[in-house]
Amino acid sequence: EAQVTQNPRYLITVTGKKLTVTCSQNMNHEYMSWYRQDPGLGLRQIYYSMNVEVTDKGDVPEGYKVSRKEKRNFPLILESPSPNQTSLYFCASRSTGTEEQYFGPGTRLTVT
Amino acid sequence: QKEVEQDPGPLSVPEGAIVSLNCTYSNSAFQYFMWYRQYSRKGPELLMYTYSSGNKEDGRFTAQVDKSSKYISLFIRDSQPSDSATYLCAMITTSGTYKYIFGTGTRLKVLA
Repeated sequence: EAQVTQNPRYLITVTGKKLTVTCSQNMNHEYMSWYRQDPGLGLRQIYYSMNVEVTDKGDVPEGYKVSRKEKRNFPLILESPSPNQTSLYFCASRSTGTEEQYFGPGTRLTVT
Repeated sequence: QKEVEQDPGPLSVPEGAIVSLNCTYSNSAFQYFMWYRQYSRKGPELLMYTYSSGNKEDGRFTAQVDKSSKYISLFIRDSQPSDSATYLCAMITTSGTYKYIFGTGTRLKVLA
């Protein structure tokens, strides 16, 4: 089954404790992206990657890091999480030549 | 001013009604326009996308783009309770970057 998977689905952590949210897709998509969704602010793009080793900032990259060493994986790293990074995070992927992004199920992160 | 404005709703309509959802935008560089549907506790899924002014129809759904007015709409005919979801408009600029900008979403409830 074609899908985007994210892990973990739920995470509660404390300020300053480094964490990684993994994202993997099995559709051989070139483009992958991370978003956060907050009430009243909608979906905002954090980082995106056009292909392996090619990443670029979205609208809200501060406090996040990404890497794209393999085509299928695009982890999101929070080196020192803060409470304002409490949010619902989505990973998405799409193939070059189409605008249809496939979204993962979301990761709900709470930073206390 | 946000680049994309969308009325958050909620919008409640009776079953069978025609629903009109709208977004306005300010950036003339937006070239692709999309509508996503998001059910509660799920990731968004693409409903329709277009890159030109005019109408595009898919079953009960019609997407309309007016680039001169910087205005896009999604019409749902014969609305069903299963259409109850949050609808997000999204746009892409491809000049130099490939960032997605989403509206905040409109919550729609179709009453049986």
